[in-house]
Amino acid sequence: QKEVEQDPGPLSVPEGAIVSLNCTYSNSAFQYFMWYRQYSRKGPELLMYTYSSGNKEDGRFTAQVDKSSKYISLFIRDSQPSDSATYLCAMSPYTGANSKLTFGKGITLSVRP
Amino acid sequence: DSGVTQTPKHLITATGQRVTLRCSPRSGDLSVYWYQQSLDQGLQFLIQYYNGEERAKGNILERFSAQQFPDLHSELNLSSLELGDSALYFCASSVDGTHSSPLHFGNGTRLTVT
Repeated sequence: QKEVEQDPGPLSVPEGAIVSLNCTYSNSAFQYFMWYRQYSRKGPELLMYTYSSGNKEDGRFTAQVDKSSKYISLFIRDSQPSDSATYLCAMSPYTGANSKLTFGKGITLSVRP
Repeated sequence: DSGVTQTPKHLITATGQRVTLRCSPRSGDLSVYWYQQSLDQGLQFLIQYYNGEERAKGNILERFSAQQFPDLHSELNLSSLELGDSALYFCASSVDGTHSSPLHFGNGTRLTVT
């Protein structure tokens, strides 16, 4: 079993839809959870960052962590065509070192106008 | 624009050859990371340098090597190239190596080995 599993997608939704992107993980030491967004032909950029369990909201984006289930989610409300990108989850253990980040393979989202 | 510059953008070479990828970190960032991204494996951490010194190693093959120079730019050297080395290679930088300074990625070098 891979340490981080992410739904392979791709995912296509109409504009305005609520999108739910998910990752599961097996390493209970993971404490830091992130979501990166990667546009075509670009490098990943940090979208959301959470520590331990709970929810974090930033505009139309909400990151949710359920450590008991080893499950994290990213919700996008009122999705826009500009949200079309690949979304990668990433997580790291308590050391807090960037070098320990483990990424999911990413899911490609397409938002249809 | 992340401020991280990678050159070249594309590289096509033959098996058995050697190539060098270059990265200039964001101004003020001391830490540089190299990642390989392929459809099969996703984004894989290769190696990290901090202020000229190797800080952490990931899934880097022995055929690959890297260094960070006094001006903080970094180079990733890939030798004895195989078809399976075809991938996107990303450089990222951060102020230090911790989560308090998130990673900023360049736009990558696409390597094609024929």
